Amino acid sequence: ELKVEQNPLFLSMQEGKNYTIYCNYSTTSDRLYWYRQDPGKSLESLFVLLSNGAVKQEGRLMASLDTKARLSTLHITAAVHDLSATYFCAVDILGDDKIIFGKGTRLHILP
Amino acid sequence: GAVVSQHPSRVICKSGTSVKIECRSLDFQATTMFWYRQFPKQSLMLMATSNEGSKATYEQGVEKDKFLINHASLTLSTLTVTSAHPEDSSFYICSARYNRAPKLFFGSGTQLSVL
Repeated sequence: ELKVEQNPLFLSMQEGKNYTIYCNYSTTSDRLYWYRQDPGKSLESLFVLLSNGAVKQEGRLMASLDTKARLSTLHITAAVHDLSATYFCAVDILGDDKIIFGKGTRLHILP
Repeated sequence: GAVVSQHPSRVICKSGTSVKIECRSLDFQATTMFWYRQFPKQSLMLMATSNEGSKATYEQGVEKDKFLINHASLTLSTLTVTSAHPEDSSFYICSARYNRAPKLFFGSGTQLSVL
């Protein structure tokens, strides 16, 4: 059974600080996604990571993928209050047409 | 960019009634659609995967007779919650993609409240 584990599940941090969210998965995958969700809203796509060693950056967010370790990270640099949201990683299962989500990380950035 | 339109955005119904949720891809062919359910402050749980013209594949524990999924065309998939009960109250989100393209497009979600 595929497992997608995110940690931490909840993160409260001060503005200006750096932090990393981790996403581990238990099966072979050739692509991993990161999404943001605001309360009561649907998902906003942040990053699509397609290969081992892929690194993508957008503003204060940077995502990376290590397919050998089955690990992806979402790094937040100098956090600002507007980044408060829930962040999900999702794994696209190789050889199977399904996409499984981690439990999400609720990020709360204190002004 | 590609858009997936999901309707209704919010529905309140009485226990025992059926509710249909529509998900349309507006500018691309959605060969695969995924239906997710999300309870408050929880993750998205995959309910089923549907491919155009074929029967949906349901995840373990999801009742196929209760959650009817139809994907009759490349632009439309529907989820019908039959004989809804309060425990079916949830946020339902559809997503779509073309073949196995590495890009998912999400609908805006439907908040279902069953009284």
